[in-house]
Amino acid sequence: DTGVSQDPRHKITKRGQNVTFRCDPISEHNRLYWYRQTLGQGPEFLTYFQNEAQLEKSRLLSDRFSAERPKGSFSTLEIQRTEQGDSAMYLCASSPKDRRVVGYTFGSGTRLTVV
Amino acid sequence: GESVGLHLPTLSVQEGDNSIINCAYSNSASDYFIWYKQESGKGPQFIIDIRSNMDKRQGQRVTVLLNKTVKHLSLQIAATQPGDSAVYFCAEKGEGGNQGGKLIFGQGTELSVKP
Repeated sequence: DTGVSQDPRHKITKRGQNVTFRCDPISEHNRLYWYRQTLGQGPEFLTYFQNEAQLEKSRLLSDRFSAERPKGSFSTLEIQRTEQGDSAMYLCASSPKDRRVVGYTFGSGTRLTVV
Repeated sequence: GESVGLHLPTLSVQEGDNSIINCAYSNSASDYFIWYKQESGKGPQFIIDIRSNMDKRQGQRVTVLLNKTVKHLSLQIAATQPGDSAVYFCAEKGEGGNQGGKLIFGQGTELSVKP
């Protein structure tokens, strides 16, 4: 297992189109997080899963955003009717249930550009 | 609301010097404070963490200091190297209640190491 994988690395889409990103966490990690990062800012929490259950969603996650983790392994983040303000880096991270492990492992992100 | 922020947006140091990156936080209920390093085009990389009941923790060339009285966190990098050039984020993490272990990040400090 080489870490958290995200696909695609880059996505350019026209405003109004739908996009879907995929995240494959470290296999033994049961928690999975999605963050959004804009230029010069720290990552902002969007949502997280424990196994297949989505336990929390930020108010940043509008109705156009939906995330799934159907089998408790990989996760997808879909944005419908994209807007220019959705342009950002979307980061996925995972962590084990063991609370002695404090830090997450982040993927390299998917950079979304809405034109 | 709670926030984690950084005092300085940029820091420039000479190779071999020590670097100190500072962070202020406001949520005294957090369980852990964590420093991340982010290089261009990559996701944040865990550096070191400190539990809220500690005031100092050392790693390889890095030391984190926590002053709960003034709600201040710092990262010290000894003998800074060009490879240390990156943006550094502090983050706080809570496990209690519905916090779910999510991280709240500050804005970041860009460290530039001059050879």
